[in-house]
Amino acid sequence: LAKTTQPISMDSYEGQEVNITCSHNNIATNDYITWYQQFPSQGPRFIIQGYKTKVTNEVASLFIPADRKSSTLSLPRVSLSDTAVYYCLVAVSGTYKYIFGTGTRLKVLA
Amino acid sequence: NAGVTQTPKFRVLKTGQSMTLLCAQDMNHEYMYWYRQDPGMGLRLIHYSVGEGTTAKGEVPDGYNVSRLKKQNFLLGLESAAPSQTSVYFCASTDVDTQTQYFGPGTRLLVL
Repeated sequence: LAKTTQPISMDSYEGQEVNITCSHNNIATNDYITWYQQFPSQGPRFIIQGYKTKVTNEVASLFIPADRKSSTLSLPRVSLSDTAVYYCLVAVSGTYKYIFGTGTRLKVLA
Repeated sequence: NAGVTQTPKFRVLKTGQSMTLLCAQDMNHEYMYWYRQDPGMGLRLIHYSVGEGTTAKGEVPDGYNVSRLKKQNFLLGLESAAPSQTSVYFCASTDVDTQTQYFGPGTRLLVL
């Protein structure tokens, strides 16, 4: 089973781009990588998902290198409301296992 | 479209009391999960279900039981609550095709 590792915390200023990297050295061939955002007292919320290369949606981009041993969530021009915990989640294809990373606590400063 | 709902939102129990947490989803998902999240920590899997009538243990199943009598509902039971079960409980259901989990708003449980 893939195990994920993320930085515990990051600080940024409003308007900056934030990149959060997740390591998943043992990811299996069919695993997807999903990122979630969690605000205090709320359930995790889906941000973006990818399998390989680059995925972009209206809120973020996800970069996955060819070896797929890591992935990077990119948040463009963060605002104070992006202050939250971000989780990297590896879905193990064909099983029930969804392995949460340690989570990265992002604090956006004015 | 309500997605995933959980009841109750908050509950206080005394040690030894029992209760049931209800999770409901309206997305016709086969897979459902119960997680617990302790302060400052990530989510840990308690039990899960891959379909109506089936349940299985996750990472931290002790002290909990579950039932999935209907596809849209997943119940988590505490037979004899302990202070160590004070936590926030999240339910999730999974779209198997996209491998995306959808989470409920959580139930905050305090065991005195």
